[in-house]
Amino acid sequence: GAGVSQTPSNKVTEKGKYVELRCDPISGHTALYWYRQSLGQGPEFLIYFQGTGAADDSGLPNDRFFAVRPEGSVSTLKIQRTERGDSAVYLCASSGGGTGELFFGEGSRLTVL
Amino acid sequence: QQQVKQSPQSLIVQKGGISIINCAYENTAFDYFPWYQQFPGKGPALLIAIRPDVSEKKEGRFTISFNKSAKQFSLHIMDSQPGDSATYFCAAVAGYSTLTFGKGTMLLVSP
Repeated sequence: GAGVSQTPSNKVTEKGKYVELRCDPISGHTALYWYRQSLGQGPEFLIYFQGTGAADDSGLPNDRFFAVRPEGSVSTLKIQRTERGDSAVYLCASSGGGTGELFFGEGSRLTVL
Repeated sequence: QQQVKQSPQSLIVQKGGISIINCAYENTAFDYFPWYQQFPGKGPALLIAIRPDVSEKKEGRFTISFNKSAKQFSLHIMDSQPGDSATYFCAAVAGYSTLTFGKGTMLLVSP
């Protein structure tokens, strides 16, 4: 497809489990962002990739969160030892062409029981 | 620390009316101010954006007003329609840093 694709769209897991969320950005976009959106809140920045490297990971809340983008395209957000407070919609966005516009996917809704 | 403050939290407007959403910021290094629109179950999508060298930008029924001295900017939706019912986020960015979003305004346009 032409847009940002995120999988899974919904993930229910138990406290303490490990989860992976995948993002496939728009083809050719070099910049990729992960945001987290809690109910009734605006998107909260987690990490930003330029190419394969994490240019800014200052938004990751703690060391249970990690993200990779090994080939400069698809990215995976990894959450270890999930906690109930991790429940949120995880949004991925990509950008390219220098316009500054972020194109968001529909998000992955994570529920930790 | 909330860098972009948005109000109101929710807004109900009659069809054909004007919807106004306000945002304020503190960081004078911000140089790009977009507004995003989000429908339920979807990701945010860019609606309109402004840079601080102009005081107003209009695209169709949507207008951004920008007051640099007051560090405030607002979104005006003219002739509001039921299809405009969504959550609106203001945002700001400084240079090549990442977008900081407001908390959002849930707009309901009644038929």
